[in-house]
Amino acid sequence: DGGITQSPKYLFRKEGQNVTLSCEQNLNHDAMYWYRQDPGQGLRLIYYSQIVNDFQKGDIAEGYSVSREKKESFPLTVTSAQKNPTAFYLCASSMPGQLNNSPLHFGNGTRLTVT
Amino acid sequence: DQQVKQNSPSLSVQEGRISILNCDYTNSMFDYFLWYKKYPAEGPTFLISISSIKDKNEDGRFTVFLNKSAKHLSLHIVPSQPGDSAVYFCAASVLKKFYFGTGTSLTVIP
Repeated sequence: DGGITQSPKYLFRKEGQNVTLSCEQNLNHDAMYWYRQDPGQGLRLIYYSQIVNDFQKGDIAEGYSVSREKKESFPLTVTSAQKNPTAFYLCASSMPGQLNNSPLHFGNGTRLTVT
Repeated sequence: DQQVKQNSPSLSVQEGRISILNCDYTNSMFDYFLWYKKYPAEGPTFLISISSIKDKNEDGRFTVFLNKSAKHLSLHIVPSQPGDSAVYFCAASVLKKFYFGTGTSLTVIP
């Protein structure tokens, strides 16, 4: 069964600690994305990657870092510099390829709580 | 600055009637528009999309309408079913970046 796996579903950390959220996909999609959802707000783009070893900042990249060493994997690190890290984090992928329009497919998210 | 807006946080509809969810956008460069359905603590699920060269796309009970001159997008669900109760997000894309609205919570009353 193809899909996007985010782990863990719930994550708790103390303030000042870095934490890495996992995202793996077996859809053979080229592009991967990280979004954050806060109550009453839409999904906001943190980082995205169109190909391996390349990624771009989204609208709220400060305090986050990513890597894209493999096509299947796009981990997100929430650093201690992120002022409000508690949120629901969503990973997504798409296959833009030669198709200009291709929807995002999402994982089931990781709820991060920092105290 | 919110480029995609959903001005109705919630909507209640009787089962069997039509649900109409609305979305406005500001960036005229958007070329692809989508609707997603989301349950709590889960990822959004893709419902339907439309390219900017079209004004209507239909898939079963779901129809998306695009009015480019008004920069307005709508999703029609007919007939509405209790299982349609969820939060619906509209999204718009340009240069492979996707921008989302804040969502509309739809409740279908049996």
